[in-house]
Amino acid sequence: GQQLNQSPQSMFIQEGEDVSMNCTSSSIFNTWLWYKQDPGEGPVLLIALYKAGELTSNGRLTAQFGITRKDSFLNISASIPSDVGIYFCAGRESGGYQKVTFGTGTKLQVIP
Amino acid sequence: NAGVTQTPKFQVLKTGQSMTLQCAQDMNHNSMYWYRQDPGMGLRLIYYSASEGTTDKGEVPNGYNVSRLNKREFSLRLESAAPSQTSVYFCASRVTNSPLHFGNGTRLTVT
Repeated sequence: GQQLNQSPQSMFIQEGEDVSMNCTSSSIFNTWLWYKQDPGEGPVLLIALYKAGELTSNGRLTAQFGITRKDSFLNISASIPSDVGIYFCAGRESGGYQKVTFGTGTKLQVIP
Repeated sequence: NAGVTQTPKFQVLKTGQSMTLQCAQDMNHNSMYWYRQDPGMGLRLIYYSASEGTTDKGEVPNGYNVSRLNKREFSLRLESAAPSQTSVYFCASRVTNSPLHFGNGTRLTVT
C-alpha cells in the first residue's frame, strides 16, 4: 500500500527551539491531517487542512497544505517537554471511502 | 465521554490461537476502521466499515476477519494467530468528511 514520505524520522531538540517536519506524496490529497501519538495511546488530531495553500494554526502549532496538494508541513514553535511524541501526517482522498494514508511518523524528543 | 474504547489493552497469544479484539464508540459515528501499527510502517488499514451492515478490506486484510455488530461496535478476529501479526492494533471511527478518532490500542504479541 501507498505510504507518505515523512521526514525527518526522528529529531532531538532543546526545549525552546522551533521544530519543522514535512510530508510529501506522489498522489494528490483533498485533506491533510496531522496527528500526535503519546506513548501507549492512540493518535490524536492536531490540525486538519482542507484547501490547497491553507495555513492553519493551533496554539504553537502551524501547518500548511501545499499548493500542489502533494505535500504538507508542520511547525512547532518554542518546544516544551510535553511536545515529546510521534507526529504523523495523513492524506485523505475525496472519492470512494475517503481512504486515509498515513506517513511513517516523526519521533520528537525534547531535551529540557 | 469515552470516545473509542478498545479491549483488551494487552494480549499474548501462541501461534495458532484465535482471539477477538473489541471496539466500541459512543460518538454515533457511521464509519469504523481497524489499523495495525508496526515500527517504521506508520498505520496500515486492515478492514473498514463505512456504515452499519457493510465491511470491506483495506490494505492488509489477510489473516483477519471483522464484524460490524451494530452502529457502535466493530470487532476484529484473528482465527489462527501468526508471529507476523504481532503489532499494535488501533480502532478508529468518524463521520463522513471528518477526521478519524482513535482508541488507545491493543498491544498483541504472538509467540
